[in-house]
Amino acid sequence: EVHLVQSGAEVKKPGESLKISCKGSENSFTNYWIAWVRQMPGKGLEWMGIIYPDDSDTRYSPSFQGQATISADKSITTAYLQWSSLKASDTAIYYCVRQGGIYSYGYQWGQGTLVTVSS
Amino acid sequence: DIQMTQSPSTLSASVGDTVTITCRASQGISSWLAWYQQKPGKGPKLLIYKASSLESGVPSRFSGSGSGTEFTLTISSLQPDDFATYFCQQYNAYPTFGQGTKVEFK
Repeated sequence: EVHLVQSGAEVKKPGESLKISCKGSENSFTNYWIAWVRQMPGKGLEWMGIIYPDDSDTRYSPSFQGQATISADKSITTAYLQWSSLKASDTAIYYCVRQGGIYSYGYQWGQGTLVTVSS
Repeated sequence: DIQMTQSPSTLSASVGDTVTITCRASQGISSWLAWYQQKPGKGPKLLIYKASSLESGVPSRFSGSGSGTEFTLTISSLQPDDFATYFCQQYNAYPTFGQGTKVEFK
């Protein structure tokens, strides 16, 4: 069974940078897509974008284009979500999600990473 | 973006009840719809994909129906473990989610 294990909770100040990670548990990591989904406190789910780790083909939801950067390192079966300058409005839980394609549903979800941005 | 509208936002029910949650898409999405269950402090769990296909391991009391713009999730004989929040998701284009339906104890 595939497991996605995410990095731990982070507390940052506005303007700081951050990179969170999502590690896949098996070598077939390069055979599926990894998406990132945001859940703001007490709110619903928002799909941010997706990457195919084998060739780093990356797509972003128009709503999130330019807000954060998705990347991956297939040699260590890990995907990343990073910000260069955090805002308070980036405070949320971020999930990585295994999908079979760009337009697909989430087979497997990571446990989530809570990012808190506060001065 | 394709907008997904769920109703109701909250649903009060008792163990043994049959409950139905509705999801409406702002444009036709064929059968490209999934349903998820989320419990507090946990990531979502896939229940249904392609509108009516039950994910492996999900109890058969969960069922989905619909196509085009109108979809439903039905939970027959509600069990204590089913009190949670449910989300629909379209994947006809970049995925978008409904706002969620919380199923709570009556």
